[in-house]
Amino acid sequence: QPVLTQPPSASASLGASVTLTCTLNSDYRNYKVDWYQQRPGKGPLFLMRVGTGGMVGSKGVAVPDRFSVLGSGPNRYLTINNIQEGDESDFHCATDHGTWPNFVRVFGGGTKLTVL
Amino acid sequence: EVQLVESGGDLVQPGESLRLSCVASGFHFYNFAISWVRRAPGKGLEWVASVSDKGDYTYYADSVRGRFSISRDNSWNTVSLQLNSLRAEDTAMYYCARVVYESGCNSEDYWGQGTLVAVSS
Repeated sequence: QPVLTQPPSASASLGASVTLTCTLNSDYRNYKVDWYQQRPGKGPLFLMRVGTGGMVGSKGVAVPDRFSVLGSGPNRYLTINNIQEGDESDFHCATDHGTWPNFVRVFGGGTKLTVL
Repeated sequence: EVQLVESGGDLVQPGESLRLSCVASGFHFYNFAISWVRRAPGKGLEWVASVSDKGDYTYYADSVRGRFSISRDNSWNTVSLQLNSLRAEDTAMYYCARVVYESGCNSEDYWGQGTLVAVSS
């Protein structure tokens, strides 16, 4: 089944840019991935979906233009430009595989973004 | 406005049972699959279970299969998660989420705020 790997932490200064990475294991390198933002004490928010060709479908509700995605090989990237204090969050990626009765949904370990 | 509200979380002892509920509003509930996803302290998100729009298909993570059971009542816009034989490692915030199937992916596009399950003796 797919495995998603994320670095546990990242940091960026106010107003700067940061790119977060989610890496698929090799057998699933062409899979699409969803990105989620989770602020402290809140439920996750869907950001957008990304494949090897870039964003797939629509962004989530009220996701700012500062957020964008790219895909390359097994890597799925989330870039945040002009970082704000409110961007300090955990960022999760996810994908799924199979159909009933062997469906599975997989999340990465998450990356904690600290705004300096 | 799409809303999902979870309830039923509690502090229980190992081996005990609990029933979580998720009440949805603001959309045609019967048209969407619903998932439960949890987050243990200090860990990332973990998919737990999903139920199809009509309730005829259910899916479980290996870690909970045989102990947890997901169901829905489309008359009441409610999804339930029955948690049996609880273990310390089931301690987590449990979220319900609406699932949309788009571009070949099942994505959770709206989430609740969660309900806390703590398993400890």
